[in-house]
Parts: sequence; C-alpha cells; structure tokens
Amino acid sequence: NAGVMQNPRHLVRRRGQEARLRCSPMKGHSHVYWYRQLPEEGLKFMVYLQKENIIDESGMPKERFSAEFPKEGPSILRIQQVVRGDSAAYFCASTEEGGSGNTIYFGEGSWLTVV
Amino acid sequence: AQSVTQLGSHVSVSEGALVLLRCNYSSSVPPYLFWYVQYPNQGLQLLLKYTTGATLVKGINGFEAEFKKSETSFHLTKPSAHMSDAAEYFCAVSDGGSYIPTFGRGTSLIVHP
Repeated sequence: NAGVMQNPRHLVRRRGQEARLRCSPMKGHSHVYWYRQLPEEGLKFMVYLQKENIIDESGMPKERFSAEFPKEGPSILRIQQVVRGDSAAYFCASTEEGGSGNTIYFGEGSWLTVV
Repeated sequence: AQSVTQLGSHVSVSEGALVLLRCNYSSSVPPYLFWYVQYPNQGLQLLLKYTTGATLVKGINGFEAEFKKSETSFHLTKPSAHMSDAAEYFCAVSDGGSYIPTFGRGTSLIVHP
C-alpha cells in the first residue's frame, strides 16, 4: 500500500550545485503538486502537473527551477545552481484527477540543505 | 482569488482541555475546505474536509470542523486534547475556479500535561 513516495528524504548540496527531487504518486494518481515549506511560512504552491503536461507553474521561481512528470517514471523537481535560500522542505502531493474538492495526498517530503 | 488566514501561530492547551484552531477563508465561489495535520519531519495528513452538504464535518482522531458561510470560517475543534495531538495544523481552501489548494501558515498545537 504505497503512498506518495519522495526521495531523497534529505539532501545536502553546496551552493552552485544541482538538486533533483523525485516523487512517485500514489497508484492510480495522474496529477502531482509540488509545494515548498519554509519555517513560519506554511506551504507555498510551486507547480501542478499531469503526466507529460504542466498545468500550472505560477508558483515556480522564474529561474533555476523546473519540473516534469513524464509518461513513465516519477515527477522530478530540479533546482539548478542552488543558493542558501533554496534550503527548505519540498513536498509532493498527488491526486486521482483534477478537481477542486479532491483530496490531495502528501509524501513525507524532501529536506534540502544548501551549504 | 482564494486565501486562508489561520489566527494564532501557536495554541497551547492542557491535556483534556478543548482544542480550538481558527481558520477563516476568502473565496469568490463556494469553497472546498480542508484541515491537514503535520507531525515533525513528516508530510501532511488529511484530518477532514468539507465539500458540500452537512456543515459539521467529522474527521479522524476525534476532530471536527464546522463550515460557517456567514462567518467565512472553518474552525477545527476537539473536545479533549491528548498529548499525541501536538503537531502543526494547516487549513486549506480550494474553490471551483482552481484545482490548487491554498494553505494557511499553520498553527502549532502545544499540549501540556
């Protein structure tokens, strides 16, 4: 009974390196969200994807950040040339299909530390 | 546009006391409302949600919330706090115009013995 799986759980990167965070949605789910959590700031929406399609990326920083959800394999959030301010917990969530009342199910998060 | 305000970043109660976590929302259309709980170093888990129908919604772990349209509120309550309820609680709103839930900043519930 696999829920939303995220890896790595913890990732340390030096400034300027790349970070790749992976998310496998729950079985049967075709929609994925990425949120970022900073201390005292709650969860901030980043991007909403369907397989092979970005539905809404209005929360993604304009530079260095990208996301994909290929036909096969996990969704990937990629951060290039990381800076200290990228240190945060990144949560993936999935849902069966798009719908405002649908429950989204969260993974346990990936904690990125930039040193 | 939709938004959520959680009043009080920290709420402290004694074990056995009533828990009340406040959430007010803003939405241009009838909202869908959610409460999630997050334990340290874990993801968010759904406690309960309101979509349509009965305005008093019961969730897991003895929590419930009431949708009050006139007050644009969806406060979370539990009659008697347990030590295990200590966690971060998030209210979220999603309206008919968006498939993207907007989360509040969270309220940290502290339970004293």
